[in-house]
Amino acid sequence: GAVVSQHPSRVICKSGTSVKIECRSLDFQATTMFWYRQFPKKSLMLMATSNEGSKATYEQGVEKDKFLINHASLTLSTLTVTSAHPEDSSFYICSAPPGQGANEQYFGPGTRLTVT
Amino acid sequence: DAKTTQPPSMDCAEGRAANLPCNHSTISGNEYVYWYRQIHSQGPQYIIHGLKNNETNEMASLIITEDRKSSTLILPHATLRDTAVYYCIVRVVGYSTLTFGKGTMLLVSP
Repeated sequence: GAVVSQHPSRVICKSGTSVKIECRSLDFQATTMFWYRQFPKKSLMLMATSNEGSKATYEQGVEKDKFLINHASLTLSTLTVTSAHPEDSSFYICSAPPGQGANEQYFGPGTRLTVT
Repeated sequence: DAKTTQPPSMDCAEGRAANLPCNHSTISGNEYVYWYRQIHSQGPQYIIHGLKNNETNEMASLIITEDRKSSTLILPHATLRDTAVYYCIVRVVGYSTLTFGKGTMLLVSP
């Protein structure tokens, strides 16, 4: 099946710094990618929809200036957590449908962010 | 709010069939039933989806009631590696956004 990768898998950063997380579709092109956040023992919450060639669409309550999304190409979307705080510590997961209107989505393995 | 209701947890013995129920009483005619699972500290994995007919693939079977208000995911011979949180999601096909509920934590024991 289609493969989505994320880098890094784990990152620890200090409060106030910025962290960039990459999401790549390895064997298909993705005009749309999705970013989710998951807190411990909680379900996935959609943060934003990343669109190649246009601005991302953010879900209600997600600060677009704090979570910068860039869909640089048909195989790469990046999420930058700016001025990270300890409450931003979470599991960040991206996903992509392997084509417009595809029945399923393929998820990346996730990135564990810890802000100290 | 998620449009599905699932039991928070279930247990299953290794080698036995695992039957995971899901209620979706407000499902619309153009909404499919999707199942994903998430093994601890990994991204979710697509399992199966269906509209009204029963479906089977190499991973599982999906049984949808005639009124489409509920469904059951069946793992015919559960293994320890099937221990995961299983999410039942209803979604209009072609509309990409997935809304995850709390899912069912399936624990497969030896």
